[in-house]
Amino acid sequence: SAVISQKPSRDICQRGTSLTIQCQVDSQVTMMFWYRQQPGQSLTLIATANQGSEATYESGFVIDKFPISRPNLTFSTLTVSNMSPEDSSIYLCSVLTQWGGHYEQYFGPGTRLTVT
Amino acid sequence: AQKITQTQPGMFVQEKEAVTLDCTYDTSDQSYGLFWYKQPSSGEMIFLIYQGSYDEQNATEGRYSLNFQKARKSANLVISASQLGDSAMYFCAMRDIEGGSEKLVFGKGTKLTVNP
Repeated sequence: SAVISQKPSRDICQRGTSLTIQCQVDSQVTMMFWYRQQPGQSLTLIATANQGSEATYESGFVIDKFPISRPNLTFSTLTVSNMSPEDSSIYLCSVLTQWGGHYEQYFGPGTRLTVT
Repeated sequence: AQKITQTQPGMFVQEKEAVTLDCTYDTSDQSYGLFWYKQPSSGEMIFLIYQGSYDEQNATEGRYSLNFQKARKSANLVISASQLGDSAMYFCAMRDIEGGSEKLVFGKGTKLTVNP
């Protein structure tokens, strides 16, 4: 298993500002992901963050709005830029572990963001 | 096209009884994986169980088991001996590889309420 921590756990931000969310994993992992969960909705992948390469963004998400860093195999950051109330969501960091044909994907506790 | 379908927005079960949460999926891949997660009101996503498409046995983890019916493309979660603490949202997800990138695709979730 993997233990994931995120900071901050929650924040209330003003429209037009930016917030950087940190994700720390207790072991080295190749694949890290950032997901968004809007109120009352399921999870949607924002981007895949692999160490040593640019993040890969899903349709509807762009680097200017959600820049990601992945400086090493245990850490990543997601920035939510120029925020609007529509960005109010839970943002979750996730890692995939695999051995043989068995997969397990773990999530951090999430960052609950409210934009006013 | 929706890849994961959870047809039960809400389910109720009496404490100590078993409950089945439905999940059907759509894929043309031969190799894939299915996950179940629990999300309590605190917001964390808790990994419950994984089933690989080539696994011969249904996955089990404690009180959780996965009723995997490959021909019917269903991966239902069975919770035995329900407890009050099982009340939460439950999400089914499928590992999806598209264009070389890997991600989890989530269903809309089922809200389970365990009654005393």
